[in-house]
Amino acid sequence: ETGVTQSPTHLIKTRGQQVTLRCSSQSGHNTVSWYQQALGQGPQFIFQYYREEENGRGNFPPRFSGLQFPNYSSELNVNALELDDSALYLCASSRQGGDGYTFGSGTRLTVV
Amino acid sequence: SQQGEEDPQALSIQEGENATMNCSYKTSINNLQWYRQNSGRGLVHLILIRSNEREKHSGRLRVTLDTSKKSSSLLITASRAADTASYFCAASGGTSYGKLTFGQGTILTVHP
Repeated sequence: ETGVTQSPTHLIKTRGQQVTLRCSSQSGHNTVSWYQQALGQGPQFIFQYYREEENGRGNFPPRFSGLQFPNYSSELNVNALELDDSALYLCASSRQGGDGYTFGSGTRLTVV
Repeated sequence: SQQGEEDPQALSIQEGENATMNCSYKTSINNLQWYRQNSGRGLVHLILIRSNEREKHSGRLRVTLDTSKKSSSLLITASRAADTASYFCAASGGTSYGKLTFGQGTILTVHP
């Protein structure tokens, strides 16, 4: 059984640029959620995807968008990067209706 | 904003001692989960307690849940240096289906 894989592990971008983060879900899981974790804080829910559609969103602006693909992998896109977007971005997969979440190791994004 | 508050923010103990962390949440839940995070990497699921359960054990972990007080506690018995990490509680359910709402976390340091 494979776990959740995120890429890249680290990324440095310039303010105003766009970034795409990737996540492959655990085998058997059909739902993917994304979280942003600022330094010293708990993770904050960005959004969740199920059946290739967004079905829940946290308090994040529209420049945060995502995709889910037929193989349940997912992308997080952030446009017009701001310095405050610097954070660890975590992906979690689960089965719709299930309780268990498996998290990836995260992508550390630094915006300069 | 964070749903939960965790207490204490930091805990420093000696190997062999017990560590207790507390978590409070604000809205109704289906379950409450505890996660561990080493050095800002991915989250590892430790234990889940459902809203109709009051206590649950897993190895050296003991979790309690008091839904009337909207609070939970995590006890790690006979702690080891390898338990050094950040611990987060995450509330699931209520009106936020599919979303985990995390607390701020407790930083646990276990000295050998």
